[in-house]
Amino acid sequence: GENVEQHPSTLSVQEGDSAVIKCTYSDSASNYFPWYKQELGKGPQLIIDIRSNVGEKKDQRIAVTLNKTAKHFSLHITETQPEDSAVYFCAASGSSGTYKYIFGTGTRLKVLA
Amino acid sequence: GAVVSQHPSWVICKSGTSVKIECRSLDFQATTMFWYRQFPKQSLMLMATSNEGSKATYEQGVEKDKFLINHASLTLSTLTVTSAHPEDSSFYICSAPPRGTNYGYTFGSGTRLTVV
Repeated sequence: GENVEQHPSTLSVQEGDSAVIKCTYSDSASNYFPWYKQELGKGPQLIIDIRSNVGEKKDQRIAVTLNKTAKHFSLHITETQPEDSAVYFCAASGSSGTYKYIFGTGTRLKVLA
Repeated sequence: GAVVSQHPSWVICKSGTSVKIECRSLDFQATTMFWYRQFPKQSLMLMATSNEGSKATYEQGVEKDKFLINHASLTLSTLTVTSAHPEDSSFYICSAPPRGTNYGYTFGSGTRLTVV
């Protein structure tokens, strides 16, 4: 089955700097890759997603890139702010014809003011 | 749009009792609901998939008799933890794709279950 690896597990950046989180997936059949932000004690919130027919997608300070050949995708947050501090999860979907999300292990991002 | 309301947000129960968690899709119809379990500082692990009007599909290693799932309508899915034990203490979260799409799943706010 699908396996998603996520790095780093923790990331500290200074306010205003950029943050990059990387994920790799194992099943080339996966075709949808969402990113979620989870604050303490809350459910995950979708922040951006990308489908396999697109290489890059951007939404204001957030962007996601996808390399299908290498089977990895990355989340880029520019001009980080303290409120960006949270746990971020990547996920892959579409493997084996299902629509279940397989999540990465999460990255705890801390933006230092 | 696409809001999933989950209740309760937290619950404390005694060992041996049962606890029911509800997830309602407020402004869309959810024919499918995914139930996850999350331990502290860990990722979300899919427990089961519920489908309106049919039996739930459980992931390998998840006891279907312990985690009863019911999806009786297009807007309500419930998870009942039966005969709860301390090791069942966890954060339970539901998620649903808006009807007609397999993208952009919306998550509930989660339920913190503590079994004492």
